[in-house]
Amino acid sequence: NAGVTQTPKFQVLKTGQSMTLQCAQDMNHEYMSWYRQDPGMGLRLIHYSVGAGITDQGEVPNGYNVSRSTTEDFPLRLLSAAPSQTSVYFCASRIDPAQPQHFGDGTRLSIL
Amino acid sequence: AQTVTQSQPEMSVQEAETVTLSCTYDTSESDYYLFWYKQPPSRQMILVIRQEAYKQQNATENRFSVNFQKAAKSFSLKISDSQLGDAAMYFCAYYGDYKLSFGAGTTVTVRA
Repeated sequence: NAGVTQTPKFQVLKTGQSMTLQCAQDMNHEYMSWYRQDPGMGLRLIHYSVGAGITDQGEVPNGYNVSRSTTEDFPLRLLSAAPSQTSVYFCASRIDPAQPQHFGDGTRLSIL
Repeated sequence: AQTVTQSQPEMSVQEAETVTLSCTYDTSESDYYLFWYKQPPSRQMILVIRQEAYKQQNATENRFSVNFQKAAKSFSLKISDSQLGDAAMYFCAYYGDYKLSFGAGTTVTVRA
């Protein structure tokens, strides 16, 4: 089973560039989330979705967009990359709100 | 937003000994879930243990157990018989209102 797949695993961008981090899960999970992980701050919720067509903001949504056109996919878009968005990004999914999340392997993003 | 506090940035334990990681959280809810996740150097997020707030019995998974004190809003993790493979960063997490909030993490070092 693939679980939660994130691509790419590493990416370097220049300030002002845009890009999309891909996330796909094959477990038919309704709930999906994006987090960023910065040193000393744990994981912070960027955006989340409770099903296809439904998304909402988390703790740190500024500078990011999401969409959920299918149950399987939940891409995260950086509109105009800034050095403050240098981080490790994790996508996660779960079948039920209270169940443990399945995490992808993360994307390390550096913005110069 | 819910607040999860891990007051120990680093902990060191001798192999085969026991170490306890502390976690406190802030909430006005009565029904919620708590988790401990392990993140080894591989960057994977691995579920260690899960606790349902309405259950008074402390959760246990092999060498890992928790001390859940609901009134005190405390959720500590005890690792017994520590092994070299337990070396990782450990995150405490609170789930409520569709959102999962993480503490800043505790780095556990295991001495051979």
